[in-house]
Amino acid sequence: AQSVTQPDIHITVSEGASLELRCNYSYGATPYLFWYVQSPGQGLQLLLKYFSGDTLVQGIKGFEAEFKRSQSSFNLRKPSVHWSDAAEYFCAVGARYGDGGSQGNLIFGKGTKLSVKP
Amino acid sequence: ETGVTQTPRHLVMGMTNKKSLKCEQHLGHNAMYWYKQSAKKPLELMFVYNFKEQTENNSVPSRFSPECPNSSHLFLHLHTLQPEDSALYLCASSQAGTSGGTETQYFGPGTRLLVL
Repeated sequence: AQSVTQPDIHITVSEGASLELRCNYSYGATPYLFWYVQSPGQGLQLLLKYFSGDTLVQGIKGFEAEFKRSQSSFNLRKPSVHWSDAAEYFCAVGARYGDGGSQGNLIFGKGTKLSVKP
Repeated sequence: ETGVTQTPRHLVMGMTNKKSLKCEQHLGHNAMYWYKQSAKKPLELMFVYNFKEQTENNSVPSRFSPECPNSSHLFLHLHTLQPEDSALYLCASSQAGTSGGTETQYFGPGTRLLVL
């Protein structure tokens, strides 16, 4: 069964510092991988996704993520955090075409809340 | 209006009330989803509609009743809810393929529900 682990519940970084949010997944093959961000009182906004190809994926707002098959990880990074990045970040995994599983099902991690110090 | 919209944004209801949540997507997608987001729990998929047909019901209690009259609109009818049903209810849509697999889902802002 698919599962997603985000080991850090809450992270605080200083503005301008670099950021890395961890995501580990469990899946029988290579899944589709997503990072979403949720600001307070808002829905989820897609930051980036990995389907195939280059394992380093660029997203919006200066974020990137790297798929590492050997570590079953898809960590999110940003070189310099801005105060507006304070939000909750969710990693999600979905079934790949041909692998079976429930079509459309995204399995989400529990999220990592990011606080930014001035 | 663009993207995925949800109304109302906030709802307070008693346990004996009947209410409905509405979701509308303006993206031309053919699949729509309801999720429940509770504090300290992962997002839970409740229902999936693909080409207007329900394809997934993740053991959701019958007090939640979905309706998808067309590929652009999705409703969640609520009746005799419990306080533990208080949560943020999120709607999403995607362009689903015909051979399975997960396409990118786009989310609405959610309805914050409080059951008294």
